[in-house]
Amino acid sequence: EAGVAQSPRYKIIEKRQSVAFWCNPISGHATLYWYQQILGQGPKLLIQFQNNGVVDDSQLPKDRFSAERLKGVDSTLKIQPAKLEDSAVYLCASSLGRGRRNTEAFFGQGTRLTVV
Amino acid sequence: AQSVTQPDIHITVSEGASLELRCNYSYGATPYLFWYVQSPGQGLQLLLKYFSGDTLVQGIKGFEAEFKRSQSSFNLRKPSVHWSDAAEYFCAVDNAGGTSYGKLTFGQGTILTVHP
Repeated sequence: EAGVAQSPRYKIIEKRQSVAFWCNPISGHATLYWYQQILGQGPKLLIQFQNNGVVDDSQLPKDRFSAERLKGVDSTLKIQPAKLEDSAVYLCASSLGRGRRNTEAFFGQGTRLTVV
Repeated sequence: AQSVTQPDIHITVSEGASLELRCNYSYGATPYLFWYVQSPGQGLQLLLKYFSGDTLVQGIKGFEAEFKRSQSSFNLRKPSVHWSDAAEYFCAVDNAGGTSYGKLTFGQGTILTVHP
C-alpha cells in the first residue's frame, strides 16, 4: 500500500514570499491532517479535514496560512506571506477516520521549509 | 487543556542495554495514547498504541509500553536496544472530542543516542 506522499521535500524561500505544499493521502483515508514541526518540538496540528470539510483549524494562523482539500483527496497548504518563524517541517498525515479506533495517523516524510 | 510531557530531552544508552522513555499526559477522559518514532529526515512511524484493555501493549521493533492511569503515564520500554533504534521518540495523546477524532497532541520528543 502506498504511503502518504508529500512534495516538495525541501523548500527555501525569502521572507514575504509565498509557498505551497502538496499532500496525497493513503487511498481511502477520509481524514487528512497538516502538522507543523518546529526544530526541537513535537508536531503541532494546524488543520484537520474530514473528506473535503474542515474539522479543526483552530491553530492555523489564518492571516497567512490557508489549506484546501478539493474533492476530498489530496490537499495543499499555502503560506502567504512567509515569516522567518514559519521555518519548520510540515507533515501531512491521514487516517481512515471512521470511528475513534480508526484514527491511527500515517505520516508522510514532510516538507522542510526554510525561510531566510 | 490536554498536554503531554516527555521529561527527558536526550537519553544515551549502550547497545544491548535496556531502555525506558518516560511520558506523562494530562487528559480528562480516557486517553488514546501513542508512541511514534522519527528517524532523521523521515516522517513519524507508529510504534504502538493504547486504546483500552490490557495496560501493557506490544508494538513493533520489540517495543512495549505500559499505561498507568494512577500515574498518568505511558512509558515506552525495550529490553535490549539496537544501534538502529537511535532516533527521536514522540509520545502523543488523542484529545478527541465529539467527532474530532485523531487530533494528536505531541510531547516535545526524546532523542535516543545508542553507543556501540
